[in-house]
Parts: sequence; structure tokens; C-alpha cells
Amino acid sequence: SAVISQKPSRDICQRGTSLTIQCQVDSQVTMMFWYRQQPGQSLTLIATANQGSEATYESGFVIDKFPISRPNLTFSTLTVSNMSPEDSSIYLCSVDGETGNTEAFFGQGTRLTVV
Amino acid sequence: GQSLEQPSEVTAVEGAIVQINCTYQTSGFYGLSWYQQHDGGAPTFLSYNGLDGLEETGRFSSFLSRSDSYGYLLLQELQMKDSASYFCAVNMGKIIFGKGTRLHILP
Repeated sequence: SAVISQKPSRDICQRGTSLTIQCQVDSQVTMMFWYRQQPGQSLTLIATANQGSEATYESGFVIDKFPISRPNLTFSTLTVSNMSPEDSSIYLCSVDGETGNTEAFFGQGTRLTVV
Repeated sequence: GQSLEQPSEVTAVEGAIVQINCTYQTSGFYGLSWYQQHDGGAPTFLSYNGLDGLEETGRFSSFLSRSDSYGYLLLQELQMKDSASYFCAVNMGKIIFGKGTRLHILP
């Protein structure tokens, strides 16, 4: 299993500002994933972060809006840039388990409200 | 793209058995997973089917039929704590989630 520490757990931000979310894993992992979840909705994959290379973004998500860093095998950040109320959501980071891609572990999420 | 459909809500009685279905339109995936998420919590892994057939883990079982593009999660001996949202997901180097099923359990 993997233990993931994600912070902040929640924040209220002004529109037009940016927020950086941090994700720390207790073991080295190849890939880290960032998801967005609207209340009562499913998880939508934003991007996959690999150490040493640029993140791979899913359709509808762009690097200018959601820049990601992956400086080492245990840490990643997601920045939500130039925020608007539509960015209000829960953001979760995730990693694969030791058995590869059969199961994922999640941080507790960051509940973001943009006012 | 990938598409996974689930019923939006299911209601069952405590102690009973409930089945949550998942139909998908995708290919080239390694397996089908199931996750549970309580309100305000993070998703937690329940089960994984890499091959067709039934996988059993305690009160939870999961089934996959690739030929039918179909899977299900079976929960037995329902308890009130099983009230949560359940997501099927395809594993394909990244994990893509279905729309989720809200399970309501009546006493």
C-alpha cells in the first residue's frame, strides 16, 4: 500500500489567483495522477505526472491552466491557475500500488472553493 | 474515448445482497476495478478483475466479461456502513472512472 499526504485539505481562494496543491507519497512511485471531482460526481483524470518528463494531460485540460511539477519519485504538485468559480472542486492525487496498475491509492483531497 | 456506465442510484435493505452493474465502451485495458467512496472521503480500492470471471473478497465479489463489455460488483450481507458511492474503473496505464453509483441502505 501507499500512504499519501495531500495539502492543503481545503482552501477558499479569490478568482484570478492560483493555488498549488502538494502531494507526498511514503514510497517511490513511477507515476502520479491528478484527478478532479465535483461534488456528487465521478473522478475526472486531469493528468499523469512522471518524474523527469512533462506531465501528460487529458483532453480538456491544459498545462497553462494546470501546471504540474514532479521533481522526484515521491512528490508532485498541481497548480490551479487564474482560478474562476468553475474551478471549485475537490482535487485528488493518486498513485498505483506495488502490484502495478491493479489498484490506486488516493490522498484525502483538496476541497477548493473559488469566490 | 472511454465510457463506463453505471446506475446512478441503487437502494437495498440491510442484510440483503445488491449488484451494481457496469457496462463499458473501451478497449485495450488491463482490467476492471471497483472503488468505494464515502461522503467526504477518498476512494478506496475494493476489487480488481484482470481476467474474465468472478473474484471474491470477503463480502464483496466482482465479475468481468470482456466479450459482453460488462462487469458487476456484488455486495452481500449489506451493512449500514456500506452506504457510499461505488465506482467501476478501467485500468489502462491510467485509471478511468465510471460515473458512480450511490448505494442507499435501508434498515
